[in-house]
Amino acid sequence: GAVVSQHPSWVICKSGTSVKIECRSLDFQATTMFWYRQFPKQSLMLMATSNEGSKATYEQGVEKDKFLINHASLTLSTLTVTSAHPEDSSFYICSARPLAGGAVELFFGEGSRLTVL
Amino acid sequence: KQEVTQIPAALSVPEGENLVLNCSFTDSAIYNLQWFRQDPGKGLTSLLLIQSSQREQTSGRLNASLDKSSGRSTLYIAASQPGDSATYLCAVIIQGAQKLVFGQGTRLTINP
Repeated sequence: GAVVSQHPSWVICKSGTSVKIECRSLDFQATTMFWYRQFPKQSLMLMATSNEGSKATYEQGVEKDKFLINHASLTLSTLTVTSAHPEDSSFYICSARPLAGGAVELFFGEGSRLTVL
Repeated sequence: KQEVTQIPAALSVPEGENLVLNCSFTDSAIYNLQWFRQDPGKGLTSLLLIQSSQREQTSGRLNASLDKSSGRSTLYIAASQPGDSATYLCAVIIQGAQKLVFGQGTRLTINP
């Protein structure tokens, strides 16, 4: 199956700093990538839809100035958590849809665990 | 607004049993339904994708069915093994939208 890689897999930072998480599709091109957030023992909550070459579409209640998303190429999207605070600590997961093919199957990265001290 | 519900929230069975996980959705106008597996602290692994025109998909010991009219899907796991222990999530893509709407998941434990 298609492979989606996230980096870093975990990060610890001080309050007030910014953290960048990368999401790469390794063996396919993706015009659309999605960013999710997951709290312990809860399901995934969609944060934003990232389209290559255009601005991301944020879900209601998600601060676009807080969570900056850039989708500069067909294989890379980045999520930057700006001025992180302890309440931003969470598990962030990205997914990508292959450009080719008729089935709308999404493939997910391994996730990035952010801990803000 | 599409809502996805999974029952039960948690399930514990002895090894070797066949089991069924349930998923229901409120809006039958879906594009497809996807079942995922998530191990603790890990991302999601896609198990099966059922397009709206299909009624079931099979992969190894897994079989997923879809009944759009009743808003239901089941994931059948045959001859369960301890390695099947994980959280199983179902998600639907609404027609006209790109995003997945997830259920809360079923935490499955297979006891040796």
